[in-house]
Amino acid sequence: GQQLNQSPQSMFIQEGEDVSMNCTSSSIFNTWLWYKQEPGEGPVLLIALYKAGELTSNGRLTAQFGITRKDSFLNISASIPSDVGIYFCAGRSDAGGTSYGKLTFGQGTILTVHP
Amino acid sequence: GAGVSQSPRYKVAKRGQDVALRCDPISGHVSLFWYQQALGQGPEFLTYFQNEAQLDKSGLPSDRFFAERPEGSVSTLKIQRTQQEDSAVYLCASSQGVGVSLHFGNGTRLTVT
Repeated sequence: GQQLNQSPQSMFIQEGEDVSMNCTSSSIFNTWLWYKQEPGEGPVLLIALYKAGELTSNGRLTAQFGITRKDSFLNISASIPSDVGIYFCAGRSDAGGTSYGKLTFGQGTILTVHP
Repeated sequence: GAGVSQSPRYKVAKRGQDVALRCDPISGHVSLFWYQQALGQGPEFLTYFQNEAQLDKSGLPSDRFFAERPEGSVSTLKIQRTQQEDSAVYLCASSQGVGVSLHFGNGTRLTVT
């Protein structure tokens, strides 16, 4: 089963507001990734984090890789209606025999943005 | 093609039927993954191929699930004697190499009645 706890489960916000979501794990991951999934589509990669403590931005998105390597957060600034979707965190161990990069996903955060 | 292509997009099967789901990865991508996504959940790993070799099948839920990639490109996920709990979206993803970002297809939604 999944090892990642993602919160909140859902968010309802007004356009222009900032959004924050996070992910915690009982296991250490060497890579953290954030994906967005829209209805009827597969997940699309937003941000990848490769080093503990790393802070990375992609436009209005900012994500951080926790120092303990057991957590990550994603912030979206000045939300717009097209930000609507489900956001997933994912961790990759890159350890030993699983170095090919199998991902473990969180349960997702459903984001709704009201115009 | 430009992205990972999966077919069919939707599949309805009666309990007990066998189904076959197809994945066409991005041309030249060495790594191929299958994930299962239940309603309201994140994707869960099923199996991994590097070229034609199935290197990890630890996520396959039972021996009714079987995947193959005989020529190192197209892959098929087969589910025998489908059960209602098999209802989910089955996602295929590919990447150029080991540890590189995955590109997901749009999935096949399987409904077992």
